[in-house]
Parts: sequence; C-alpha cells; structure tokens
Amino acid sequence: QKEVEQNSGPLSVPEGAIASLNCTYSDRGSQSFFWYRQYSGKSPELIMSIYSNGDKEDGRFTAQLNKASQYVSLLIRDSQPSDSATYLCAVNGKGYSSASKIIFGSGTRLSIRP
Amino acid sequence: DTAVSQTPKYLVTQMGNDKSIKCEQNLGHDTMYWYKQDSKKFLKIMFSYNNKELIINETVPNRFSPKSPDKAHLNLHINSLELGDSAVYFCASSLSGGAYEQYFGPGTRLTVT
Repeated sequence: QKEVEQNSGPLSVPEGAIASLNCTYSDRGSQSFFWYRQYSGKSPELIMSIYSNGDKEDGRFTAQLNKASQYVSLLIRDSQPSDSATYLCAVNGKGYSSASKIIFGSGTRLSIRP
Repeated sequence: DTAVSQTPKYLVTQMGNDKSIKCEQNLGHDTMYWYKQDSKKFLKIMFSYNNKELIINETVPNRFSPKSPDKAHLNLHINSLELGDSAVYFCASSLSGGAYEQYFGPGTRLTVT
C-alpha cells in the first residue's frame, strides 16, 4: 500500500464548477497535511495546510480532513483555467522529530475546460 | 525578494562527470531538503539538514553527497553521474518540526547524456 495515494487523473472539470481532489494516507499517526499545486515545468507551491479534522477555507480553496478515515481532500470552487495544474497531496511521515519528513502523493492532474 | 533559490536552473552533462547544485534560502528557516522528481513526476525526499546537521538520509546512492555550510545554504554534489540521475532536483526549506510547511526552490533540471 502506498503511503499517500491520489488518483492520477486527468480530472476534467468545466470552468466555474467545483473541482474535488482526494487523497488517502496510510500512517494513522500523521498530524500535518498539505496541498501543493505544481504547474508544468515549475516547482510545487503550497496552497493549503490543515492539521485538525474538519474544513479549512482559504478563498476558493477548501481543505477537508477526516483522520478517522485517513482521508484529506481539496475543493476548488469556481474553477478557472489557471487552476489547471497537478495537485500534490503531502502528509508528514514517521519519526524525524526535528524535521518535517513529508511524503508526497503522485499527484492528480486537473484540467479546467472552458 | 525572500525565497528559496537554486543554481543552476539547467545542467546538461555527460555520464561519469561530477557536478554540484547549490541552494540558498533567506526565509529564516532552519531546515533544508533535497528532493528528486523523476520523469513520472513523483517527488521523493533525498536528504534533510537541520541547523547544518544531517537528519534525513533516504536510500540514495553514496555518489550523492549533501553539504550544509550554514542553515541558509545546502549544496548537493553528485559524483560519477549516471543516465538514471536525470531528473529535476528541488531544494526546499522549512522551520523545524512536523507541522511546518515546506517551501520549494525553482528546481534544477539535470540531464545526463
């Protein structure tokens, strides 16, 4: 079982609709969860972090965390063509008390169609 | 500008050569990382330094040697380059502790021919 799993996509969503990206993780002890956006040929860019169960909203983005189900999701409202990118789910790993060892999923490619 | 910077951005070299990549951050972070992103876009951690101390050392060939002269700089030296080393190498930094977000540099695209 992969430590962090995402559907690779591509996920195609019409402009203006809600894009829903999902991620599951295997380590029940994980405490920190992140969503990164990566445009083609660019570096990963942090867009959301979430640490507690429930929802966290930031503009058009909402991260949702359910630790009991080991599930984290990202909703993008009013999707824009500029949201077309690969979205990486990341979860902090075991051990390494002085470092944030983050395990990345393989990413979901999102395409917003006009 | 505050950021994580890397040099060079592109590196094309032949098998067997030795090359280095440099990284610098001015975010005031105390932890820095090297990641490798392969052709399938999978991002995997290689090394991490906290205040110049190596704290994460994943299963990486010993041809790869990181060095951190201070907490704002992290370099990666690669000996005897192989075709399979071709990838994008990202530097990242964060504050120490599991809760802190990591910020990435622009990446170095290494092509070994």
